[in-house]
Amino acid sequence: DQQVKQNSPSLSVQEGRISILNCDYTNSMFDYFLWYKKYPAEGPTFLISISSIKDKNEDGRFTVFLNKSAKHLSLHIVPSQPGDSAVYFCAASAGNNAGNMLTFGGGTRLMVKP
Amino acid sequence: DAGVIQSPRHEVTEMGQEVTLRCKPISGHDYLFWYRQTMMRGLELLIYFNNNVPIDDSGMPEDRFSAKMPNASFSTLKIQPSEPRDSAVYFCASSLAGGWDTQYFGPGTRLTVL
Repeated sequence: DQQVKQNSPSLSVQEGRISILNCDYTNSMFDYFLWYKKYPAEGPTFLISISSIKDKNEDGRFTVFLNKSAKHLSLHIVPSQPGDSAVYFCAASAGNNAGNMLTFGGGTRLMVKP
Repeated sequence: DAGVIQSPRHEVTEMGQEVTLRCKPISGHDYLFWYRQTMMRGLELLIYFNNNVPIDDSGMPEDRFSAKMPNASFSTLKIQPSEPRDSAVYFCASSLAGGWDTQYFGPGTRLTVL
C-alpha cells in the first residue's frame, strides 16, 4: 500500500509560469514532509520541508503548502525556470530524524519549456 | 567537500555473481543510509547506520543483501548471489545528526544483473 502518492507522473509548464506539484499521503502519523529534486544521473537533493505545525513554508521561489485535514501537500515554484526541469519527490516521516522511517512518493517529472 | 562518493557508478553483472557497492560519506556525518530505486517500488530505504553501527535494516529485502560500515568513512552494500530483480539504482546518503533535511545523497550506482 502506497502511503505517499504523487498522482501526476509528469507536468509541463511554460517558463515564467507557476508549477504546482501535488502529493497525497494516507498515514496520519506523518508530521514532517520534504520535497527533493533529482536531476538525471544524480542523487536527490533536499529542496524544502514543512512540519505539521505549519501550513506553509517558503524559500525563495519555492513554497510548500500542507493541508493536514486533506492529507495533501503541494509544492509551488514561481516563476518556473528551465533549470527547474527535474524529477520531484515528496517524502513523509513521523519526525525529522532517522528514527522515523522516511517514505517517498513515486516522483513527478517537471518540464519547464523556454 | 566532495559530497557523498559512490563507486562504481555503473555495474553490470551476471545472475549469481557477488556484487559490492561502495560509499564514502561526507566527512563528519554520523548517519549513513542505503536506498534502492526501482520503477516498481520507487525510492526505498534499505538500511541506515549511526556512528558505524547498523540501526535499522528492516528495509533490506532478503538475506542476500548485507551492509557493513567498518569505519566512519566507508560503507559497503553487498548482494550475494545477485538476481535480475536486483537491477536498480542504489543510492548512499549521509546526514549530520540524522535529520532528513540534512541528508545528502550520492550520485548512485546503476546495477544491472543479467
